[in-house]
Order: sequence, then structure tokens, then C-alpha cells
Amino acid sequence: KQEVTQIPAALSVPEGENLVLNCSFTDSAIYNLQWFRQDPGKGLTSLLLIQSSQREQTSGRLNASLDKSSGRSTLYIAASQPGDSATYLCAAPNQAGTALIFGKGTTLSVSS
Amino acid sequence: ETGVTQSPTHLIKTRGQQVTLRCSSQSGHNTVSWYQQALGQGPQFIFQYYREEENGRGNFPPRFSGLQFPNYSSELNVNALELDDSALYLCASSQDSGSDEQYFGPGTRLTVT
Repeated sequence: KQEVTQIPAALSVPEGENLVLNCSFTDSAIYNLQWFRQDPGKGLTSLLLIQSSQREQTSGRLNASLDKSSGRSTLYIAASQPGDSATYLCAAPNQAGTALIFGKGTTLSVSS
Repeated sequence: ETGVTQSPTHLIKTRGQQVTLRCSSQSGHNTVSWYQQALGQGPQFIFQYYREEENGRGNFPPRFSGLQFPNYSSELNVNALELDDSALYLCASSQDSGSDEQYFGPGTRLTVT
């Protein structure tokens, strides 16, 4: 049974810092892993999708890595900005490939 | 904008009532999944439909049911509402499989009093 854990639960940083969010999963036989952003009370915005054959994926200031053997993924945010303040969720497919299993998220606060 | 829309945005119901939530998937996406997100938690999978057939179900009771229509719209129905059903309900569409990239709608906030 796939389980996804994210640490830390919350993170506060000053503007301009580089930071890393961590995600771990128990079933390494995954097709892909997705990172999402969620603003308070809103839906999920897909940030990055990493296929199992890839080691990392980049979009602007975001870089996500995937290490299936260790069951870990990281989301690196460079030069953080106040607009990056949100909850970041990672999700991996369940064994049947019918659902995404989510972590509880990391709530990021970037102060100016 | 993901092209996935949900209605209504907010809804208040009384315990014991029934509710229908609606989702319109991206055109060409054959799979729709529904999730429940309680405050401070990650989304929990309710069920998935592929080409109008239920294709997988999470740990939710039978009073949670769904429908998918040929025009890329779908519904989530919840009977006999309980206070714990208060949550953000999210639908997500993907091209063919739950393992494909999933695109989420803005959600419906349901409050049960």
C-alpha cells in the first residue's frame, strides 16, 4: 500500500533563500510522481510531473528530483519570493495506477 | 487554467440531506477522479471513472456515488450527509489513466451543519 510522507510540515524563510521540500513514498514501483501547489481554499495546481525514467524535472525556479530506489523526491525552489507562499503537495500513484496518494503537504511562508 | 471546472463553488447542507457536485473535465480526457480534502490534510481518493465506468474506489462508504457522462462531465453524489463530510471536494481529469498527469479543478467547499 502506497504511503506518502512530507517533511517538514511547515517552513518559514526570508525572501531570496533557496529551499528544499522533501517527499518520501513506500512503494517504489511508480510510473511517475507529481508536485502540486495549493493556495488557501483553492484547488491544486500541477507544478511538475516526473516520469519514473527521469531523475529530475525543471520549470523556472523549480527543480524536482526523483530517486525511486530510496523512495524519495525533493522539490527545490530557488530564490524564493513572497508569492511562493502556499502549501506544496507531492503525490504518487497507488499500485493499481487508479489514484494519486498524497502527502499532507508542506506549508511554505516566504517573508519579504 | 486547467480547463477543469466545478460547480458550485460553495455549498451548505444539513446533516441527513443529499448533495450533488458537478465537474467538467478537459475535452479529450477519458478519466475523472474525485478526491475529498479535509482541512489540513492531503486529498483522499474517493473513486475514479473511465469512459463512464467506475475504475477504482478508495475507502469511502457506498453513500458516495458517482456518474460520468459522454460529454466529459461527471457528478459526485453523497447521500445521508454527516458532519464529517464537510471538506473541499476536488475533481481531476486525465487522458486515459490515473497514472497520467492529473489536472485538478478549483474544488467545491461543502459545509454540513
